[in-house]
Amino acid sequence: KQEVTQIPAALSVPEGENLVLNCSFTDSAIYNLQWFRQDPGKGLTSLLLIQSSQREQTSGRLNASLDKSSGRSTLYIAASQPGDSATYLCAVRRTGGFKTIFGAGTRLFVKA
Amino acid sequence: DVKVTQSSRYLVKRTGEKVFLECVQDMDHENMFWYRQDPGLGLRLIYFSYDVKMKEKGDIPEGYSVSREKKERFSLILESASTNQTSMYLCASSLPYAGTLAHNQPQHFGDGTRLSIL
Repeated sequence: KQEVTQIPAALSVPEGENLVLNCSFTDSAIYNLQWFRQDPGKGLTSLLLIQSSQREQTSGRLNASLDKSSGRSTLYIAASQPGDSATYLCAVRRTGGFKTIFGAGTRLFVKA
Repeated sequence: DVKVTQSSRYLVKRTGEKVFLECVQDMDHENMFWYRQDPGLGLRLIYFSYDVKMKEKGDIPEGYSVSREKKERFSLILESASTNQTSMYLCASSLPYAGTLAHNQPQHFGDGTRLSIL
């Protein structure tokens, strides 16, 4: 059974700091891994999707990496800003089906 | 940009009522999903539809049903609402999980409906 874990559950950093959010999964048989952002009371916004054959994806100040063999992904946020404050979720789509398994998220607070 | 629209942001209903949550997407996506999100439990899949009138049960389908009469619209139905169905409900859509693009189809989410059952 696929399980997705995100550590830490919450993180508070000063503005301008570079930071890394972690995601681990137990079954490496995946199609892809997706990172989302969720603002309070809102839906999920897709940030990056990494296919199982890829090692990383970049979008602006965001860089996501994938190490399928070790069951890990990281989301790197450069030069953090107060507007980055949100909950970040990772999700893996396992092979052989339609289900996507979500982590519980990391709540990020960037202090001005 | 993909637009997934959920008809209500907030909804308050009473136990025993039949409740309809509506979701519409404008990108001609084949796949549509209903999730619920609860603190400490994360997102859990209720139902998935891969085409009109086609559906698959997710992890927690009990107490729910769905309807997909048109490609752009996916409805979640609470047959007889109970207090343990108080939650945030999220709808999502994506391109199909078949063919050469199957591995690279992100899900696009609506803003959610926060449903309270009293």
